[in-house]
Amino acid sequence: DVKVTQSSRYLVKRTGEKVFLECVQDMDHENMFWYRQDPGLGLRLIYFSYDVKMKEKGDIPEGYSVSREKKERFSLILESASTNQTSMYLCASSLPGQGNYEQYFGPGTRLTVT
Amino acid sequence: GEDVEQSLFLSVREGDSSVINCTYTDSSSTYLYWYKQEPGAGLQLLTYIFSNMDMKQDQRLTVLLNKKDKHLSLRIADTQTGDSAIYFCALPRGGYQKVTFGTGTKLQVIP
Repeated sequence: DVKVTQSSRYLVKRTGEKVFLECVQDMDHENMFWYRQDPGLGLRLIYFSYDVKMKEKGDIPEGYSVSREKKERFSLILESASTNQTSMYLCASSLPGQGNYEQYFGPGTRLTVT
Repeated sequence: GEDVEQSLFLSVREGDSSVINCTYTDSSSTYLYWYKQEPGAGLQLLTYIFSNMDMKQDQRLTVLLNKKDKHLSLRIADTQTGDSAIYFCALPRGGYQKVTFGTGTKLQVIP
């Protein structure tokens, strides 16, 4: 079974802090994604990566950056956390290929910025 | 970009059928997906349908696709309390296996 793990289930940070969210997958997937989930808005794509050191902006990249130094690990960085970044953050991974767009998700990190 | 809309909330009694609806704007998708998110967990693929199909049945789940109206639905027969979750429809978009998720429908099952 594919396993996607996230470093923390719950995180509380102060405004202005630098925040690191880590995601690790164990199935050698090329593609990895970071989403944030807010009620009534569904999942919105922040950044994705299709290979080591390769990254692309998603729909809402402002205030975030990412790092992918190893294939299995994809980090989301909040350079200076703000209260409007309080949210549930979900990491996902997938294999490249024709047609099959199934993504495998981690359990999520609920981040509160005070 | 792609718009994928769902109603936010659905409440049903245990044993009844649930129907969760999804409308979308882009008709070029080859697969259309339903994901389930149980409380406190990430999303998990529940089922999917190829765009050249009208219906797919998988045990208690029935997926209906109306391409003309760009409407996708998920029917859960004999709904159980364990079906309480948020359900997302999802469509592929662009390259790198990117997906657009709907807004999610929270299903509440009343015992």
